[in-house]
Amino acid sequence: QSVLTQPPSASGTPGQRVTVSCSGSSSNIGSNTVSWYQQLPGAAPKLLIYNNNQRPSGVSDRFSGSKSGTSASLAITGLQSEDEADYYCAAWDDSLTVLFGGGTKLTVL
Amino acid sequence: QVRLVASGGGLVKPGGSLRLSCAASGFTFSDYYMAWIRQAPGKGLEWVSYITTTGITIYYADSVKGRFTISRDNAKNSLYLQMNSLRAEDTAVYYCARDGGATISFDYWSQGTLVTVSS
Repeated sequence: QSVLTQPPSASGTPGQRVTVSCSGSSSNIGSNTVSWYQQLPGAAPKLLIYNNNQRPSGVSDRFSGSKSGTSASLAITGLQSEDEADYYCAAWDDSLTVLFGGGTKLTVL
Repeated sequence: QVRLVASGGGLVKPGGSLRLSCAASGFTFSDYYMAWIRQAPGKGLEWVSYITTTGITIYYADSVKGRFTISRDNAKNSLYLQMNSLRAEDTAVYYCARDGGATISFDYWSQGTLVTVSS
């Protein structure tokens, strides 16, 4: 099964804007919506973005999502120390599977 | 409030079996698709299986197909994962998660339950 490709790491300083990319193909991101998850150390993942760019109630508007073609991005503005976590994208694949990206470890310098 | 509580993890020998359970509360369980997702130590998330509201439609990752069986009991508000022929590579923290209704949007997750496959 294919995977969604994310950079293994990203970093930024407090207050900065950072983005995390997620690259797929026509059978997943290209034809289905993307969701994003934040996993703090030792915790279960938390839904940040669904339907490419929708935020669940309670998620800070510093988090935003976008999709173009077979790629998607998560943007975090006004970076804070508590944003240091692992971030995962996910999408349905037309081969009848759910795909997760490999994860991006975000470090706040 | 929505709550998912996973249980049933433990230490099992290669080739053995284990059954995970996920008790749901705080929402109408029968209205939601559910999934099992796992995370090997130090690794990323891996989707395992997905079941629709009635249990009629089920999907599995290739890595577990033929060995794992997902099921649900809507009367008991519970989700299950029967794991047979376990391998060392099945060692992971297993989460159950609710699909919130959009296409693949796991909006609530359980705490993890650790499955360790080792002799």
